[in-house]
Amino acid sequence: QKEVEQDPGPLSVPEGAIVSLNCTYSNSAFQYFMWYRQYSRKGPELLMYTYSSGNKEDGRFTAQVDKSSKYISLFIRDSQPSDSATYLCAMSAGNQFYFGTGTSLTVIP
Amino acid sequence: DGGITQSPKYLFRKEGQNVTLSCEQNLNHDAMYWYRQDPGQGLRLIYYSQIVNDFQKGDIAEGYSVSREKKESFPLTVTSAQKNPTAFYLCASRPGRSYTQYFGPGTRLTVL
Repeated sequence: QKEVEQDPGPLSVPEGAIVSLNCTYSNSAFQYFMWYRQYSRKGPELLMYTYSSGNKEDGRFTAQVDKSSKYISLFIRDSQPSDSATYLCAMSAGNQFYFGTGTSLTVIP
Repeated sequence: DGGITQSPKYLFRKEGQNVTLSCEQNLNHDAMYWYRQDPGQGLRLIYYSQIVNDFQKGDIAEGYSVSREKKESFPLTVTSAQKNPTAFYLCASRPGRSYTQYFGPGTRLTVL
């Protein structure tokens, strides 16, 4: 079983839609949870970072962590064509990081 | 401009050759990492270093080598022992007390 599972998609939505991206994990020691956005042929860009359970909001982006269910989510409100990218979840309990395989998102104008 | 730079952006290697990928950061971050990204497999850790002159193997270190002689630099050598080196290579760094990573732009290595 992989440490982190993420549906690869692809996910296609109309502009303005609310997007929900999710990851599940198996290691209960994970305490730090991150979401990265990666455009084609570029390095991942850190979007959101949360510690332990709870919600965190930044503009149109909301990250949720449910440690009891070992489930994390990223919500994108009022999605824009510029949000079209691959979204990677990542988590850590120490010096190493574990990544999902990424979900490919396309926002159609 | 602070950040992480990787060079070259594209690299072509003939079979049997060693090649070195450069990673430099001016963020004063303590830890640095190398990942390999293949389609459908996510990021896999090759090596990481928490301090100068010290580094640890990741999940797929075979066929790779690294050095950390300076805090700012963490070059990765892909040796001829790496049987399937064609991939996108990403370098990342992490501040000392943080649990987040910041990535460079990547190097695309292709074996001819």
